[in-house]
Amino acid sequence: AQRVTQPEKLLSVFKGAPVELKCNYSYSGSPELFWYVQYSRQRLQLLLRHISRESIKGFTADLNKGETSFHLKKPFAQEEDSAMYYCALKNTGNQFYFGTGTSLTVIP
Amino acid sequence: DTGVSQNPRHKITKRGQNVTFRCDPISEHNRLYWYRQTLGQGPEFLTYFQNEAQLEKSRLLSDRFSAERPKGSFSTLEIQRTEQGDSAMYLCASSSSRYNEQFFGPGTRLTVL
Repeated sequence: AQRVTQPEKLLSVFKGAPVELKCNYSYSGSPELFWYVQYSRQRLQLLLRHISRESIKGFTADLNKGETSFHLKKPFAQEEDSAMYYCALKNTGNQFYFGTGTSLTVIP
Repeated sequence: DTGVSQNPRHKITKRGQNVTFRCDPISEHNRLYWYRQTLGQGPEFLTYFQNEAQLEKSRLLSDRFSAERPKGSFSTLEIQRTEQGDSAMYLCASSSSRYNEQFFGPGTRLTVL
């Protein structure tokens, strides 16, 4: 069975500090992993996906199959990064499984 | 095209009533997803369409839930004989099979009294 775990419900960091949002998954097949973000009063939107291997808004995430993790990282947090972040896994049947989310607050 | 739209945005109903929600995807998107989200949880997959075909349906979905996507355009999600446990945000998302990036709608918040 597929499962996505985000161990931190709340995370607070100071502006300019590094931030890491943790995501672990379980899936027997070859997963596609995504990070979605929801800013206050806005819709859920895609932040990045592992197959693109790109940096969006300074965020990166590396898929570690050995540790079954897909942690989201940013070296210097900004106030506008404050949002709800969801890690998601897509299986081969095009079903998406989301974690419970981490609420990030960047303190000025 | 202003993105994925959902109607109504809010629905309050009494237990036992039937409700229907509508989702209009981005016009060129052939894939459409329905999710349910309760407080403190992430979106929970309900069902998925590719064009008009319903390809996947969550095992968690009871027989009271049904979804359609006639002609592969808009979709409706119906809940029959609503229960208080059905109270949640119902999200719709669409994507193209080429890029697979999901675009979410604003959601329909259902409250069952």
